[in-house]
Amino acid sequence: QVQLVQSGAEVKKPGASVKVSCKASGYTFSGHYIHWVRQAPGQGLERMGWINGNSGATNYAQKFEGRVTMTRDTSINTAYMDLRSLRSDDTAVYYCARGHCSGIGCHDVFDIWGQGTMVTVSS
Amino acid sequence: DIVMTQSPDSLAVSLGERATINCKSSQSVLYSSNNKNHLAWYQQKPGQPPKLLIYWASTRESGVPDRFSGSGSGTDFTLTISSLQAEDVAVYYCQQYYITQSSFGQGTKLEI
Repeated sequence: QVQLVQSGAEVKKPGASVKVSCKASGYTFSGHYIHWVRQAPGQGLERMGWINGNSGATNYAQKFEGRVTMTRDTSINTAYMDLRSLRSDDTAVYYCARGHCSGIGCHDVFDIWGQGTMVTVSS
Repeated sequence: DIVMTQSPDSLAVSLGERATINCKSSQSVLYSSNNKNHLAWYQQKPGQPPKLLIYWASTRESGVPDRFSGSGSGTDFTLTISSLQAEDVAVYYCQQYYITQSSFGQGTKLEI
């Protein structure tokens, strides 16, 4: 079945970096975008950006520009999100999600979600 | 940026009754070239990732029960659950994808 499986929980110190992986299966990886969304404890959803599974082109939310890098490895159908210079307010669940594609193109509608990766930033 | 505002923040509805959640965008999300509203709704239950319910403002995702419906156009949208079931307890989010920088509403918590 179509699914996204993310890497496990991480605990990091302030100033460190974290890299979260997202392995896709059950569909053509290069035919879709992978989006990253985070959710701080008890809070709403916050878009971080996307990567085109085919070209590798990226788009980052302005808030994360300079601190985030999204990459993908098409040989293993896996996308990655690397967040640097971590702060306590980066503590959140990080989700990857597949962008919906249909006959009229691909749009930022997230039809398949990973299970989430908890990243805790604490000294 | 387009700001999405949902109302109410929380809502309690009896089983079998109708639940209505509103979402307002700071600018129109109706795309003239395809005449479609770039608006989606998601359901998130505790401890789970969000689940896509509706896109193009009113198109139900495959497998979503038909008690869920979406309506509206331009800047004002509504998610309606026609007959609330116990399993519908969740937080609901609207999302605009009119521009590359998509954005979510703050969420509406639905309780019995």
